[in-house]
Amino acid sequence: NAGVTQTPKFQVLKTGQSMTLQCAQDMNHEYMSWYRQDPGMGLRLIHYSVGAGITDQGEVPNGYNVSRSTTEDFPLRLLSAAPSQTSVYFCASSYLARTRSTDTQYFGPGTRLTVL
Amino acid sequence: AQTVTQSQPEMSVQEAETVTLSCTYDTSESDYYLFWYKQPPSRQMILVIRQEAYKQQNATENRFSVNFQKAAKSFSLKISDSQLGDAAMYFCAYRSVLTQGGSEKLVFGKGTKLTVNP
Repeated sequence: NAGVTQTPKFQVLKTGQSMTLQCAQDMNHEYMSWYRQDPGMGLRLIHYSVGAGITDQGEVPNGYNVSRSTTEDFPLRLLSAAPSQTSVYFCASSYLARTRSTDTQYFGPGTRLTVL
Repeated sequence: AQTVTQSQPEMSVQEAETVTLSCTYDTSESDYYLFWYKQPPSRQMILVIRQEAYKQQNATENRFSVNFQKAAKSFSLKISDSQLGDAAMYFCAYRSVLTQGGSEKLVFGKGTKLTVNP
């Protein structure tokens, strides 16, 4: 049981490049989400998903795309990276509140992204 | 929309002493969850303690305890017998107990950096 895994751990991009941050979980969680962490800002929700084929926007979705084709995977795509997207990105997962009465969210180890 | 405020960007404590980190929140819901997360330099988000709003008893986990004041919308974290390993960023977070899709999202405060001095 690996929990929530994220790849890569570190990434440097040039402005305008695209890339995908990978997130996978092996706990059969319906809910998955992406946060970004910036100094002095805490963690802010980018996108989330409540199941395969269902995604929705969080607080700061601009510049990011997501898809959820399987229960296990929830990749985050940057189509044209900008310096403002320099941040640490966390993926998290949990059961849905309506299917399991537990509130525990599990976090991945994070990806540090630098956009030059 | 819910908001979480941590008014102390940085705190310091002497080893073996006690420190309290503050958190206030704003919500119109009557039931919810509150959490404290620890983020050491490794960057991993570690759940320290959780509180269900309908429970009046304050949560305790070993050296960590909370002072939950529902009417005041306050949720402070007390760390007793502080250890060098407690040095980290601490985040307060809110989660709804509603069951519609998306209610699982966490709303975080901006964090408090705790330094433990030997």
